[in-house]
Amino acid sequence: NAGVTQTPKFQVLKTGQSMTLQCAQDMNHEYMSWYRQDPGMGLRLIHYSVGAGITDQGEVPNGYNVSRSTTEDFPLRLLSAAPSQTSVYFCASRRGGGGRTGELFFGEGSRLTVL
Amino acid sequence: AQSVAQPEDQVNVAEGNPLTVKCTYSVSGNPYLFWYVQYPNRGLQFLLKYITGDNLVKGSYGFEAEFNKSQTSFHLKKPSALVSDSALYFCAVRPIRLRGGYQKVTFGIGTKLQVIP
Repeated sequence: NAGVTQTPKFQVLKTGQSMTLQCAQDMNHEYMSWYRQDPGMGLRLIHYSVGAGITDQGEVPNGYNVSRSTTEDFPLRLLSAAPSQTSVYFCASRRGGGGRTGELFFGEGSRLTVL
Repeated sequence: AQSVAQPEDQVNVAEGNPLTVKCTYSVSGNPYLFWYVQYPNRGLQFLLKYITGDNLVKGSYGFEAEFNKSQTSFHLKKPSALVSDSALYFCAVRPIRLRGGYQKVTFGIGTKLQVIP
């Protein structure tokens, strides 16, 4: 069982370039989300999705786009990279509904450097 | 708005001694509370959660956490620390969903646990 898979693990971009971070989960989870992790700031929510075709903004959405065409995939697009987007990005998923679960399953992270 | 405070950037403890990593939270209504652990260059892994019921929750690797509603705290504990417990620990809160909608998870900034041999 692969869980949540993120690619690439490392990426270096120049300012103004665009790229897509890929995320896939094989647990049939309804909810998926993207976080960025920065020193001293914990994890901050960028975008999230509650199902295929439905996405919404988190705390820090500017400069990022997402789409959810299938239950499994939730790519994060950087439209025009800026040095402030240098960070470690985590994709996470969890079961939806009102059940007594709710813990997040995380990918291994994508470390992005913008020069 | 919901929030999580982890007042200690780093906790140092000798191997074999008990450890506590502190967490307090603020949320509207009743909370779901979580602890996650992150080892270097890895993603976060779920340790334990509080939903309802017994205030003492047991989780993976011998960790437990105590929910205190009056103090709005959810401290992580372990009776005897191991060197392999050295990692970054995150506390997180999510409001219990009353009706429909996505409830966002808010994380603390993390506490680095260093277990000294």
